[in-house]
Amino acid sequence: KNQVEQSPQSLIILEGKNCTLQCNYTVSPFSNLRWYKQDTGRGPVSLTIMTFSENTKSNGRYTATLDADTKQSSLHITASQLSDSASYICVVSSNSNSGYALNFGKGTSLLVTP
Amino acid sequence: KAGVTQTPRYLIKTRGQQVTLSCSPISGHRSVSWYQQTPGQGLQFLFEYFSETQRNKGNFPGRFSGRQFSNSRSEMNVSTLELGDSALYLCASSSGLAGRRYQETQYFGPGTRLLVL
Repeated sequence: KNQVEQSPQSLIILEGKNCTLQCNYTVSPFSNLRWYKQDTGRGPVSLTIMTFSENTKSNGRYTATLDADTKQSSLHITASQLSDSASYICVVSSNSNSGYALNFGKGTSLLVTP
Repeated sequence: KAGVTQTPRYLIKTRGQQVTLSCSPISGHRSVSWYQQTPGQGLQFLFEYFSETQRNKGNFPGRFSGRQFSNSRSEMNVSTLELGDSALYLCASSSGLAGRRYQETQYFGPGTRLLVL
C-alpha cells in the first residue's frame, strides 16, 4: 500500500534556529515528491518539486533532499523566522498503467517562537 | 496575475442537502484539481479536470462530482451531505500542458470551509 509518513507530527523551535522535517514513503512507482507549506486558514504553497534523479533542491531558506534508495526526504529550514510557522506537507506521486496518483502525508505542524 | 479564487469561503449546510463550490483558476491555466482536507485524514485528492474533461479521480464516493467549463472555471458538487463531509475544500490550478503535467507547480486557492450540521 502506498503510504507517506511525516515526522515529527509537531515541532516548536526558537526563532533563528534551524530544523529538519522528515518524510518517509513507500510509494511505487515513484514519479515526484513535493513539499508544501500551508499557513493557517490558507491553501498550500509549493516549496519544492523533486524527481527521481534530483537529490537536493533549494528555495530560499528551504532545502529539500531526496534519497530515492531509502525512500526518504527531508526539508531543512535555515535560520527560522516567525513566518515559517505553518504546516508542512509532503506529497509523493506515482505514475503507472493504473494512472497518476497522489499520496499525501498528514503534515508536520511547525511553530516558531520569539 | 490574479490567483486562484474560490467561492464561497464559508458554508454551513445540514445533512442530506447538496452543495456546489466554485473555483476560478489562474488565467491561462487549464488544469483544475480539487482536494478535501480534514484534521483526521489530511489532504485527499478528489479529481482533476483539464479542458472540460475529468482526467484523474481519487477514491471518493459518487456523491462527489465536478465539472469544468470552457473558460476553465470549475465547480464541485456534493450531494446528500453527511457529517463527515465537513472539511476544507481546496482547488488548485496549473497549466496542465502535456509533457509537464506531472512536474508542474500547482497553485492553490484559499479553500471553502464547509460545515455540515
